[in-house]
Amino acid sequence: KNQVEQSPQSLIILEGKNCTLQCNYTVSPFSNLRWYKQDTGRGPVSLTIMTFSENTKSNGRYTATLDADTKQSSLHITASQLSDSASYICVSDVDNYGQNFVFGPGTRLSVLP
Amino acid sequence: DAGVTQSPTHLIKTRGQQVTLRCSPKSGHDTVSWYQQALGQGPQFIFQYYEEEERQRGNFPDRFSGHQFPNYSSELNVNALLLGDSALYLCASARGLLLDGELFFGEGSRLTVL
Repeated sequence: KNQVEQSPQSLIILEGKNCTLQCNYTVSPFSNLRWYKQDTGRGPVSLTIMTFSENTKSNGRYTATLDADTKQSSLHITASQLSDSASYICVSDVDNYGQNFVFGPGTRLSVLP
Repeated sequence: DAGVTQSPTHLIKTRGQQVTLRCSPKSGHDTVSWYQQALGQGPQFIFQYYEEEERQRGNFPDRFSGHQFPNYSSELNVNALLLGDSALYLCASARGLLLDGELFFGEGSRLTVL
């Protein structure tokens, strides 16, 4: 069964600190790994897209890594800001007939002043 | 350049009623997908439309149906509403069926079933 798991479920950090969110996926066949940021009650916004051959991709203070061998990805946030408070969703593309994307449950990040 | 727009933003229905949600894709996009997101969970794929046809479908009952118009806009219809249908319904658009493109989401329609 295609599945994406994320940890931790929630995280609280102080403004200015760094943090790393984890994603494990069991998807076959695998093609791309995406990270989205979703503010409460809003639609998800794309942060990064990585193909299976990419190891890392950055978008400002966000850096995503991908290890296709262990089927793990991480999202590192540097120098966190209050506006980083949101849910971060890991998404795996499924390159076969059926569902295009498998979404993880998300990690809820709260950045406190 | 307008992004993905959805309407209505919020609505309240009672059990057994029917609801229609609408989505206009981002300019230049021709593929529309619909997702259901329950509170505290990740989005669940409902179905995808391309060239006015349902191309792929997730694990949702036939009460969930859709349509895509020649201008690429789309509707999601849910019949015989259940309490469990209460969720944020997200529309996403993309260019073509290629999976390496970016997926743009709308702000969602929040449905509450009483």
